[in-house]
Amino acid sequence: ETGVTQSPTHLIKTRGQQVTLRCSSQSGHNTVSWYQQALGQGPQFIFQYYREEENGRGNFPPRFSGLQFPNYSSELNVNALELDDSALYLCASSRGQGMGETQYFGPGTRLLVL
Amino acid sequence: TQLLEQSPQFLSIQEGENLTVYCNSSSVFSSLQWYRQEPGEGPVLLVTVVTGGEVKKLKRLTFQFGDARKDSSLHITAAQPGDTGLYLCAGARRNTDKLIFGTGTRLQVFP
Repeated sequence: ETGVTQSPTHLIKTRGQQVTLRCSSQSGHNTVSWYQQALGQGPQFIFQYYREEENGRGNFPPRFSGLQFPNYSSELNVNALELDDSALYLCASSRGQGMGETQYFGPGTRLLVL
Repeated sequence: TQLLEQSPQFLSIQEGENLTVYCNSSSVFSSLQWYRQEPGEGPVLLVTVVTGGEVKKLKRLTFQFGDARKDSSLHITAAQPGDTGLYLCAGARRNTDKLIFGTGTRLQVFP
């Protein structure tokens, strides 16, 4: 186990709804990255938070937003859900910003949009 | 456009066989990582390679980073059922903020 936890483990929503996913980072880590993994594909980078500030963003629309809290835990919010948002959402924590740091992944939240 | 292409996409072999998974790109990466992901879990880091031409060994797994740092391979000797999983390569570029994952190779090893 990596020490990174995510909640909930599974979630079913309908189109147009909003969802909030949560991630608790490993002790001592100040950076959290979020990824979307569609079925049968590799993870796609959504964004990264470092010390409560967004530190980089992938090719995702503004309806994907996030927060990082003083304890370095994080939330991913998705508004106006679409069917294509159905995926496994992974968070990963690391000791610092930049992709040279080893990232430790949580087990993910599986989201199904109907 | 997927920057990192893995081949093969699927591999189904018998216990004891050897296999090689390839990770190719037209882009240069400062480092490349290999992960294994099992159903219901997040990816787990196996190795990071940094130097062009670098070879790293992890028990029966051998990882190589291409001389030009654009490609990598993972070779498994005498595969075992416990090696079953999704193998992902991921590239990092200096001074950027995202890890770029490959398309993945799903390996099934039958006893």
